[in-house]
Amino acid sequence: EPEVTQTPSHQVTQMGQEVILRCVPISNHLYFYWYRQILGQKVEFLVSFYNNEISEKSEIFDDQFSVERPDGSNFTLKIRSTKLEDSAMYFCASRLGATNEKLFFGSGTQLSVL
Amino acid sequence: SQKIEQNSEALNIQEGKTATLTCNYTNYSPAYLQWYRQDPGRGPVFLLLIRENEKEKRKERLKVTFDTTLKQSLFHITASQPADSATYLCAPAGMTTDSWGKLQFGAGTQVVVTP
Repeated sequence: EPEVTQTPSHQVTQMGQEVILRCVPISNHLYFYWYRQILGQKVEFLVSFYNNEISEKSEIFDDQFSVERPDGSNFTLKIRSTKLEDSAMYFCASRLGATNEKLFFGSGTQLSVL
Repeated sequence: SQKIEQNSEALNIQEGKTATLTCNYTNYSPAYLQWYRQDPGRGPVFLLLIRENEKEKRKERLKVTFDTTLKQSLFHITASQPADSATYLCAPAGMTTDSWGKLQFGAGTQVVVTP
């Protein structure tokens, strides 16, 4: 079965550094998402992306964050000037189309900001 | 504000019994509701979707009900097995204000099935 793949599985960074989390959504999917989950808390929506632009973002997704689909396969989340509170598991997800409601999630990138 | 409430306490159940999980929502008018399973350190995995005009949906040992009047969904795992141990997330969705398919999840209910 097709999968959403995320790299790296773990990322450790120093506070203030920039990180890029990478995702390869399922190849024929059109909608892409980033979610995060702080340890012990719920899975939270960050941003949705469709037709090469952000379609919706949460209040968490401020100017520190950006997303990009640099080519036909990758979907990245950049976090500038990381803070301790950015430490979380970040999940990428994709969806086939408007009438296919279920989301397919990757296994996540565990980001630790020291 | 919109809220999704799931039992916060872990549900401990003996193998073979039926586990019943509750999802209540407020200030949502979902066209459908989804249930996902999440294992520790892993991403959510889709299980079932039930639409507002459906009272009940089944998939193998799983059953979901959806009561739009009560604003509640119940999720049942029948003949539970230790492999069913996981956290189960609900996500009301398909609001007319939401064109982009994002999901807002409840905090989830952890199910522990003991042999």
